[in-house]
Amino acid sequence: DGGITQSPKYLFRKEGQNVTLSCEQNLNHDAMYWYRQDPGQGLRLIYYSQIVNDFQKGDIAEGYSVSREKKESFPLTVTSAQKNPTAFYLCASSMGQMRETQYFGPGTRLLVL
Amino acid sequence: AQSVTQLDSHVSVSEGTPVLLRCNYSSSYSPSLFWYVQHPNKGLQLLLKYTSAATLVKGINGFEAEFKKSETSFHLTKPSAHMSDAAEYFCVVSDRGAAGNKLTFGGGTRVLVKP
Repeated sequence: DGGITQSPKYLFRKEGQNVTLSCEQNLNHDAMYWYRQDPGQGLRLIYYSQIVNDFQKGDIAEGYSVSREKKESFPLTVTSAQKNPTAFYLCASSMGQMRETQYFGPGTRLLVL
Repeated sequence: AQSVTQLDSHVSVSEGTPVLLRCNYSSSYSPSLFWYVQHPNKGLQLLLKYTSAATLVKGINGFEAEFKKSETSFHLTKPSAHMSDAAEYFCVVSDRGAAGNKLTFGGGTRVLVKP
């Protein structure tokens, strides 16, 4: 089955700790995206990548970092500089063309201990 | 710049009655418009999309939406609500001018279906 997987489903972060969220897709999509969702709000774009070894900041990139070493993988690291990391994180992918439909993974909920 | 406004943060309907979720957008160019549904603690699922073809778009699970350029609206409807329709719904716009296929999300409408 083709799709997007995210792991873990729940993640706990201690103060000062960096944590990495995994996103893998087997849809052969060129573009991948990370969004943050807070309660009662729409999604906000953190980072996106249109092609391997290239990525751009979205609207709320501060305190986050990404890499795109493989087409199918786009991990997100939440660094200790992100002072309010508690949120639901969603990964998406698309074929990469302008206005192409984005398909979403099941999400990771990050909680701070 | 593009923006999306979902006019109702919560909608409550009885099972078997019609559902209407309202969405207005602003866009500098000819937009693509989407409706996504999100069940609790799940990812977003695409319901339907408009990409400058027919203005009445049919989606999955009996949903449809009508693109009205003069009103800058893209309202979502379903003739008869089912209990499984209880979820949050997002109206989304993608603008031709946005680099990298960036989407702009509305704030969401939470739908409650009463038996």
